Parts: sequence; C-alpha cells; structure tokens
Amino acid sequence: AQSVTQLDSQVPVFEEAPVELRCNYSSSVSVYLFWYVQYPNQGLQLLLKYLSGSTLVESINGFEAEFNKSQTSFHLRKPSVHISDTAEYFCAVSAPGFQKLVFGTGTRLLVSP
Amino acid sequence: DAGVIQSPRHEVTEMGQEVTLRCKPISGHNSLFWYRQTMMRGLELLIYFNNNVPIDDSGMPEDRFSAKMPNASFSTLKIQPSEPRDSAVYFCASTPGGGEGAVYGYTFGSGTRLTVV
Repeated sequence: AQSVTQLDSQVPVFEEAPVELRCNYSSSVSVYLFWYVQYPNQGLQLLLKYLSGSTLVESINGFEAEFNKSQTSFHLRKPSVHISDTAEYFCAVSAPGFQKLVFGTGTRLLVSP
Repeated sequence: DAGVIQSPRHEVTEMGQEVTLRCKPISGHNSLFWYRQTMMRGLELLIYFNNNVPIDDSGMPEDRFSAKMPNASFSTLKIQPSEPRDSAVYFCASTPGGGEGAVYGYTFGSGTRLTVV
C-alpha cells in the first residue's frame, strides 16, 4: 500500500519569498505522484504530476516539484509566491495499475504582504 | 464542459434525518469517487465506482452510509439517519478511468458542506 506524509500543516511566508512544501511517500512499488491545490470553498485541482521520465515537473503557474527516489520525496517549490497562492496543497500518491489516489493531510500555505 | 456538478452546495439538517447528496460526473468519465473532508481526518475516500459498479466501499464509515450510481451521469450518497459527527464537506470526483485513472488526474466538484445539528 502507498502512503504520503506532509510534514507541515501550515507554512506562512511573505509575498515574493520562495517556498517549499514537503512531501514524503512510502510504497513498495513504483509510484505516481501528484500535487493538488484547494482554494477556499472550492474542490481540489490538479497542480502537477510525476508519472515517469524527467524527475522535475512544472505547473503553469510557476510551481515545480522534483521526484527524488532515494529520499522518497516529492517536494513542491516556488521561487516567488503571490498572495493568490494562498491555499491548501495536497500531495497524493498512486501506482501503476491502481486507480485510487491516497492523499496527504494537506499543507496550508499562507502568503502575506 | 461544466465540470463535476454537486448539489446541494450547503445542507443543514437535524440529527436523525435522511440526507442525500448528488453528483453529476464529467461526461465520458467512467470512474467516480466520493470523498469526505474534515479538519480532524483530512480527505477520506468513502467509495468509488467504475462504469457504475462499486469497486471499493471500504471507506464507508458505517451502515448509515450508502452510495449508488444508477447510470453514467448520476450518483448519490445517502446518510440515514444522520448524526452530528457526519458534518463535513463531501466531494465527488471523476476521472476518465480504466485501470490507471489516477494518472489523468481527478476532477473534483465544489463539494457539499453538510451540517448536522
């Protein structure tokens, strides 16, 4: 079975500062990894995903995540955050042949001016 | 595409009453998932369907919860009788499906905020 740990429940940061949201996974098989974002009063939206190939994946709004197999991590980073990035971010894991996504507990990113 | 549509957006009901939550998945998506989100437990998968057939209901908390998918465009989650601890946001999500539907990404609805008083 797969599992995901998000180490930080909340990350406060100032606007235009860099941020890293941490995610570690556990699996006995190869994995697919995802980051979803949830804005207030909305459902989750897919931000980016790693399936195979290049270990660095990017989203259209400047976030990136790097799959690190040796450290079993998939941390999310952004070099300069905006107020509009304030949201909850969920890391999720699945595996080839599996349909279910297993979500982490979420990290609330709070960007202040 | 209107996305995944859930109704109602908000539901307030008294303990002991029956509650029915509704979901319309994206047309062409053949997998549907029901999640519950609370502060204490985060996101919990309750049940999911492939081609209208329930595949895994191990997350359904107890017999008071039931889910159906009578056709490809509609699903319901019913709680009878409801209890205050059922208060949560309930999300429906769909994906094109197949054996690895997760790789396509789930499309979530906006959720139903249920309050049981």
